[in-house]
Amino acid sequence: NAGVTQTPKFQVLKTGQSMTLQCAQDMNHEYMSWYRQDPGMGLRLIHYSVGAGITDQGEVPNGYNVSRSTTEDFPLRLLSAAPSQTSVYFCASSYLTIQSGYTFGSGTRLTVV
Amino acid sequence: QQPVQSPQAVILREGEDAVINCSSSKALYSVHWYRQKHGEAPVFLMILLKGGEQKGHEKISASFNEKKQQSSLYLTASQLSYSGTYFCGTRGAAGNKLTFGGGTRVLVKP
Repeated sequence: NAGVTQTPKFQVLKTGQSMTLQCAQDMNHEYMSWYRQDPGMGLRLIHYSVGAGITDQGEVPNGYNVSRSTTEDFPLRLLSAAPSQTSVYFCASSYLTIQSGYTFGSGTRLTVV
Repeated sequence: QQPVQSPQAVILREGEDAVINCSSSKALYSVHWYRQKHGEAPVFLMILLKGGEQKGHEKISASFNEKKQQSSLYLTASQLSYSGTYFCGTRGAAGNKLTFGGGTRVLVKP
C-alpha cells in the first residue's frame, strides 16, 4: 500500500531548464492535485484533475503544465524553470465523495538557481 | 480567497488546551483539518460538513459554524506529539479543490 508516491524527492535546476515532477497513486482516487508550499504561505493550488483526461487550473498555474492520461498518474511539468519556482511541491489525491480527506505524497523539494 | 487562521503560532505546556480558528469570507461547504510535522507531508485529521457538527480525533476535536463561515480546532490536554503546523482547508459548494489557510504553528513543551 504505497499511497501517493512522488519522485524525485530533491532536485536542483538551472534557470530555463525544464523538468517533470512525477506523482502516482494506487488508491484508485479520482481526484488529484498539485500544491506548492513556500515559507509562511501555506499550500497553494497549482493544478488539479477530477479524472483521466480532465484537468483545471488552481490559484498559481503560470509556468506549469499538467496532463492526466491515467487514473494513477498526474505529472507536473515545469516549462522553463525560474528562481521563483523554488519551493516544496506536494501531490495530493482523494475520492470525489464529499467526506474524503486528501492523502499527500512526501513532497519534492525543488531549488532553481 | 485564502481562509484566515489564528493565531499564527502557539506555545503550550503538556496538558494545556488550545484553540485554532479558521475563518472564510466565502460560503463554505466543508472544512478539512491537517497536521504537518517538520519536513513531512500534511496528514489528514478530520473533515466537517455543513450542519455545524463536531468531530474528534484522539483528544483533538473541531466544530464548524456555517453561519459565521468559521471552524475551530480544539487541542485538549495537549501531548508532545501534537506539535506541528495545523492547516485548515476550505471547500466551497462547487468542486473538490481545497483552499488552505496559512497555518498555525503549535509547539508543545514538556
